[in-house]
Amino acid sequence: DTEVTQTPKHLVMGMTNKKSLKCEQHMGHRAMYWYKQKAKKPPELMFVYSYEKLSINESVPSRFSPECPNSSLLNLHLHALQPEDSALYLCASSQFVGLYYNEQFFGPGTRLTVL
Amino acid sequence: GQQVMQIPQYQHVQEGEDFTTYCNSSTTLSNIQWYKQRPGGHPVFLIQLVKSGEVKKQKRLTFQFGEAKKNSSLHITATQTTDVGTYFCAGPLGGSEKLVFGKGMKLTVNP
Repeated sequence: DTEVTQTPKHLVMGMTNKKSLKCEQHMGHRAMYWYKQKAKKPPELMFVYSYEKLSINESVPSRFSPECPNSSLLNLHLHALQPEDSALYLCASSQFVGLYYNEQFFGPGTRLTVL
Repeated sequence: GQQVMQIPQYQHVQEGEDFTTYCNSSTTLSNIQWYKQRPGGHPVFLIQLVKSGEVKKQKRLTFQFGEAKKNSSLHITATQTTDVGTYFCAGPLGGSEKLVFGKGMKLTVNP
């Protein structure tokens, strides 16, 4: 299984809602990532988990809260988002976090709209 | 800070044409990766180059890493409509594991 799955595919939420994005991989990868991608822009790194521990937080606002319950799962909890947070949220995984041979496998993404 | 720049940002070619796109870094890279994102899709890993001057081929795609490990190129031979998409190069930021993506090169193909 060389797939990263993400749910839901689409999400519309109000600014007062609380929702969660889910990501799963069964490749035995020990590094997992959250990216945000706006239209016509490259993916922008948000968080990196290495061996289930948060290793990089790219100064993301606290209304985004990541969680890694186990080595296969990654969640992104959303609360009090702003309309400018509307974007495609991509999850990715790689064998490990490192400088070499860390090609990333991306999931299909969750397209989030904040009203 | 470290940047990864891609040129051109847009490329429109006639089916069957060859073309080359370039990726330049402000600093030396330990490695460089290339990804392709189809319209409406997600980035898909294509290749990773590690060695200075390395050249790798995937069918009609040829990837090269510069001798100084500060630039890379992607050459596509006999472009097909299936090549349509945005091609991103990405490199690790300053010795860390954080991958920095270039702005991408959007390819459109006229059949």
